Amino acid sequence: NAGVTQTPKFRILKIGQSMTLQCAQDMNHNYMYWYRQDPGMGLKLIYYSVGAGITDKGEVPNGYNVSRSTTEDFPLRLELAAPSQTSVYFCASSLTAYEQYFGPGTRLTVT
Amino acid sequence: AQSVTQLDSQVPVFEEAPVELRCNYSSSVSVYLFWYVQYPNQGLQLLLKYLSGSTLVKGINGFEAEFNKSQTSFHLRKPSVHISDTAEYFCAVSPNTGGFKTIFGAGTRLFVKA
Repeated sequence: NAGVTQTPKFRILKIGQSMTLQCAQDMNHNYMYWYRQDPGMGLKLIYYSVGAGITDKGEVPNGYNVSRSTTEDFPLRLELAAPSQTSVYFCASSLTAYEQYFGPGTRLTVT
Repeated sequence: AQSVTQLDSQVPVFEEAPVELRCNYSSSVSVYLFWYVQYPNQGLQLLLKYLSGSTLVKGINGFEAEFNKSQTSFHLRKPSVHISDTAEYFCAVSPNTGGFKTIFGAGTRLFVKA
């Protein structure tokens, strides 16, 4: 049981490039989430999903897109990367709407 | 809407001393409350949660928290800390009406000194 896995662990992007952050969970959780963590700011919700085919915006969705074609996978797409997207990104999942299990994070730098 | 305020950004403490990390919240609806811990270069993991019932909640690693509805607080305590407790601690709140948008505080960095 690997829990929540994220790839890559680190990435450097140039301004304007695009990339997909991968997230997978093997706990058969319906709910999945993407957060970004900036120093001194806590975690901000980008997007969440309540099941395959269903996604919704969180607090800071601009510049990001998601899809949820299977229960296991919840990739986050960055289009036209900007320096403001430099952050640590965490994926999480939960069986109920409350207790969340987090992945190890992806540290992204946009220069 | 909900908000969470962690009153201390950093808390230095000596090993074996007690510690309290403070968390206040505001909400127009009833909420569930959580404390998560983040060790360096790792994701968050749940320490404890308050959903209902007893206002004193016990979690992992000897931590406990008390829900105080009148003061809208959920402070985290440990009677004797270890070096290994050095980490960042996040208080979080979710509406108990079925919402999925958990709000996290800015975090408190606990630094335990020998």
